[in-house]
Amino acid sequence: DAGVIQSPRHEVTEMGQEVTLRCKPISGHNSLFWYRQTMMRGLELLIYFNNNVPIDDSGMPEDRFSAKMPNASFSTLKIQPSEPRDSAVYFCASTFRDRNTEAFFGQGTRLTVV
Amino acid sequence: AQSVSQHNHHVILSEAASLELGCNYSYGGTVNLFWYVQYPGQHLQLLLKYFSGDPLVKGIKGFEAEFIKSKFSFNLRKPSVQWSDTAEYFCAVKGSSNTGKLIFGQGTTLQVKP
Repeated sequence: DAGVIQSPRHEVTEMGQEVTLRCKPISGHNSLFWYRQTMMRGLELLIYFNNNVPIDDSGMPEDRFSAKMPNASFSTLKIQPSEPRDSAVYFCASTFRDRNTEAFFGQGTRLTVV
Repeated sequence: AQSVSQHNHHVILSEAASLELGCNYSYGGTVNLFWYVQYPGQHLQLLLKYFSGDPLVKGIKGFEAEFIKSKFSFNLRKPSVQWSDTAEYFCAVKGSSNTGKLIFGQGTTLQVKP
């Protein structure tokens, strides 16, 4: 398996623009997590899905952030409109919810909003 | 509420020194515990994990961790660090009896001087 795949790896956008980050989990995994990593806040859980259903989105910072998982092999995190303070590395991770196994991380998307 | 606290934010050691990074968690039920490592510019990779059984867990690269249930702790240790261990280390907890929420501590940056 290719692992968790995120795209793009780097994104530079202007303030006010819409940004969409993409994630393809490992095939068969039924839990998917979106994290944001910054120097100030560390690794924050934004939202996670079980069986494509959002379970906890309490970490989503504002209404400008939204996430979807239309099927078991694809998820998106959208920021609209983007702001400079959204600049961070966004990681996606997947795992089996009901098995004793770890979560596997993608390479991350480094977002810079100017 | 589920939470993870790492005691040390930044640790500087010389090669061959011993390492211990503290991790405490808060969760009312059975937990799965993890230590991840993030090398500069890379994604998170699993160092070791605890699900059940022997509370002393051995991971890759000579790392080990001990689960002490009475103290809600899962400290990471290595008898002799190497320059290549320079990285950020994250403790994580997943409540096994809930919906599988996986959260991370703030991270500890380890700098090993040659």
